[in-house]
Amino acid sequence: ETGVTQSPTHLIKTRGQQVTLRCSSQSGHNTVSWYQQALGQGPQFIFQYYREEENGRGNFPPRFSGLQFPNYSSELNVNALELDDSALYLCASSINRNTGELFFGEGSRLTVL
Amino acid sequence: DAKTTQPTSMDCAEGRAANLPCNHSTISGNEYVYWYRQIHSQGPQYIIHGLKNNETNEMASLIITEDRKSSTLILPHATLRDTAVYYCIALLYNQGGKLIFGQGTELSVKP
Repeated sequence: ETGVTQSPTHLIKTRGQQVTLRCSSQSGHNTVSWYQQALGQGPQFIFQYYREEENGRGNFPPRFSGLQFPNYSSELNVNALELDDSALYLCASSINRNTGELFFGEGSRLTVL
Repeated sequence: DAKTTQPTSMDCAEGRAANLPCNHSTISGNEYVYWYRQIHSQGPQYIIHGLKNNETNEMASLIITEDRKSSTLILPHATLRDTAVYYCIALLYNQGGKLIFGQGTELSVKP
């Protein structure tokens, strides 16, 4: 148990739709990072939020966006879904933006048909 | 960030030590070595990290060579629950949560 919870755990969307994934950070953590993990691959960094502002972004297009709220919970939004967006989306919180010690949730598995 | 290289898979007998190697020959002086593992269908789990010195915690030991070009993660008494994919990651201090995961090593602990 890491104290990081994600919802929903599974969802199915169709191509072109939009999706919002949610993450509740561990208590006392002010930084959240999002990762995408395709089947059989390692997780890929999408972006990080620190104190409600984006603090670094991986190689993902602008249709991937995020929010972090004052209570440090977070959302990942993906617009105009494509088939290749089918993946496990992982949220991780950390006590500050510099540490590499992340606490991951169990993920949200998105299937795009 | 330095690229890391790990064997694709390894086997280990239950109760024996599991020694997982990682090469990071291009690592810079201010890059840490982090290890994570991912049990099937779960999120990655932090194990340990180090810069120069060997490190030990309740989960594992990390041995880093003097030239820092390679390291070994040691699980002293592997159990079936240690079956997972293990990732070795080189990370600059100020890069924080921007971990770059490779393919990792799939460790199978067998009875």
